[in-house]
Amino acid sequence: QITLKESGPTLVKPTQTLTLTCTFSGFSLSTSGVGVGWIRQPPGKALEWLALIYWDDDKRYSPSLKSRLTITKDTSKNQVVLTMTNMDPVDTATYYCAHRLGPTQFDYWGQGTLVTVSS
Amino acid sequence: QPVLTQPPSASASLGASVTLTCTLSSGYSNYKVDWYQQRPGKGPRFVMRVGTGGIVGSKGDGIPDRFSVLGSGLNRYLTIKNIQEEDESDYHCGADHGSGSNFVVVFGGGTKLTVL
Repeated sequence: QITLKESGPTLVKPTQTLTLTCTFSGFSLSTSGVGVGWIRQPPGKALEWLALIYWDDDKRYSPSLKSRLTITKDTSKNQVVLTMTNMDPVDTATYYCAHRLGPTQFDYWGQGTLVTVSS
Repeated sequence: QPVLTQPPSASASLGASVTLTCTLSSGYSNYKVDWYQQRPGKGPRFVMRVGTGGIVGSKGDGIPDRFSVLGSGLNRYLTIKNIQEEDESDYHCGADHGSGSNFVVVFGGGTKLTVL
């Protein structure tokens, strides 16, 4: 059974750096083809893809946010970490991590974590 | 990259059927689209992937047979038959585009389905 859970601060101040951790079980990020992605959703708005990391450390970023994002993995801990610099109130959203196998869909998602950016 | 367009809302009576539409922008008629269900206060749940030939791969875990998909031209459809109260959700479509450093995943604006 594949499960993912996001964790991190619920409140960050403008200009600060956000660090989110996705802790998963039921699969390994050392298995060929496996990937974990991050997607966010501002309150009442659409989903927005942020980043994706694969088992071989191949990384993909949203072009509009690439300069602010870093995605890394710790295979031994079954974790993927996303950092986003220079946070702004418009970055207030629920942040989700999700499992992906190769060029297929995000088939398992976490419950999400709400991050509010406010001074 | 493609733009995915979804009507913001839809409604159907309990036990009826409804078809939700995700429309790809011009030039992307060969793209596959993923459908996701998002119940109130929950994370998205994968429903199924659809191309012009219909379903691609398998349905998501626990998705009932009442859910089906079709693809035609620029449109990708999700049909729900015998609608139940638990089907009241936001439905999102998403698609991959590009490869390597040009890879992106795009999502539509979502359709809120109300069960009457």
